[in-house]
Amino acid sequence: QVQLVQSGAEVKKPGASVKVSCKASGYTFSGYYMHWVRQAPGQGLEWMGRINPNSGGTDYAQKFQGRVTMTRDASISTAYMELSRLGSDDTAVYYCARSSGSSPPDYWGQGTLVTVSS
Amino acid sequence: QSALTQPASVSGSPGQSITISCTGTSSDVGNYNLVSWYQQHPGKAPKLMIYEDSKRPSGVSNRFSGSKSGNTASLTISGLQAEDEADYFCCSYAGFSTFWVFGGGTKLAVL
Repeated sequence: QVQLVQSGAEVKKPGASVKVSCKASGYTFSGYYMHWVRQAPGQGLEWMGRINPNSGGTDYAQKFQGRVTMTRDASISTAYMELSRLGSDDTAVYYCARSSGSSPPDYWGQGTLVTVSS
Repeated sequence: QSALTQPASVSGSPGQSITISCTGTSSDVGNYNLVSWYQQHPGKAPKLMIYEDSKRPSGVSNRFSGSKSGNTASLTISGLQAEDEADYFCCSYAGFSTFWVFGGGTKLAVL
């Protein structure tokens, strides 16, 4: 069965960076985009970007351009999302989610809570 | 401020039907047949319930249906059950450069 397992919760200071991992299993990793979506406490969902695990090509939401980097290691079926220059408004649960082509994300990871606090 | 507008909350009694709206623009909802709906229970990851405006993934109850008219999409849940109580988010493709936008979410209470 399809599974996306994310790394554990993180606590970071303002100005720092965080890197979240997402290990995929149960499907062909290179055949599906991997998206990153975040959800601030009590708020809605916010699309951050996606990576094509086959080519490594990325598309980022304009809001995060210059601050987010999405990478992958196909040899271990794992995608990564690194967000730099963290501020308190980056406190959120970060989800990875896969999709096929132009389809919306279907399977989601369990989420990773990132807390930014001094 | 979310790109797509949803009501903050809706409620219904067991067995009733409810509809949740999702209003976008001619650049997203109205321009592509790519509206999807997600169900999210507290502390859980979102679950895809509807895609491409009105299609149901395998395993999703046929009590859930999607439709669209112009720039507004709708999710209807018929025969409400207690386990339907959750947050519901709409999502739409918005073209190259913006890609995917979400609604702010609607909390469904089954009274």
